[in-house]
Amino acid sequence: GQSLEQPSEVTAVEGAIVQINCTYQTSGFYGLSWYQQHDGGAPTFLSYNALDGLEETGRFSSFLSRSDSYGYLLLQELQMKDSASYFCAVKSFQKLVFGTGTRLLVSP
Amino acid sequence: GAVVSQHPSWVICKSGTSVKIECRSLDFQATTMFWYRQFPKQSLMLMATSNEGSKATYEQGVEKDKFLINHASLTLSTLTVTSAHPEDSSFYICSAREPGEKENTEAFFGQGTRLTVV
Repeated sequence: GQSLEQPSEVTAVEGAIVQINCTYQTSGFYGLSWYQQHDGGAPTFLSYNALDGLEETGRFSSFLSRSDSYGYLLLQELQMKDSASYFCAVKSFQKLVFGTGTRLLVSP
Repeated sequence: GAVVSQHPSWVICKSGTSVKIECRSLDFQATTMFWYRQFPKQSLMLMATSNEGSKATYEQGVEKDKFLINHASLTLSTLTVTSAHPEDSSFYICSAREPGEKENTEAFFGQGTRLTVV
């Protein structure tokens, strides 16, 4: 089967740095993506890693280690608006399979 | 980025009735669209892959006779929840990827449809 595991919840304060981990086990792997979803909203794309290493996009960075079937999303200079759910996702053949999701709560 | 529009954004229906949800790609052609279901505080679960001009591919455990998918054109896929029951109440989201370089990277999602069956 396919599984992508994430911590269920992470809390942090404004201005801090937080890392959300994702370990995956899938049949077929074409890359690891990260999506943000606010309550009641649609997921929005944040980042994508096809190869090992770090990808930086503004305050967000994403890392992938294919040999370890592991990746993480790093959020810097946290803002209140970053409070949301974050999902890792693997493109497995044609499908996009989502992780269990991490709820990030940012407090003042 | 590409735009995917989903309608309606919310719907309330009576038990036993059917509800149709539309998903449109507004500025690109999508030969493949995806339908997800999301229960509160849970992840997105893929229900089926909608293929233009052919039958949808359903995930294990998803009843194809209950969740009818039609992908009649390159810009429109519909999901019909037939004989809806309260347990079908959920957030349904469609997704498509823009053909070309970005096909392997970014997926675009509709706004989602909150279905409540009473």
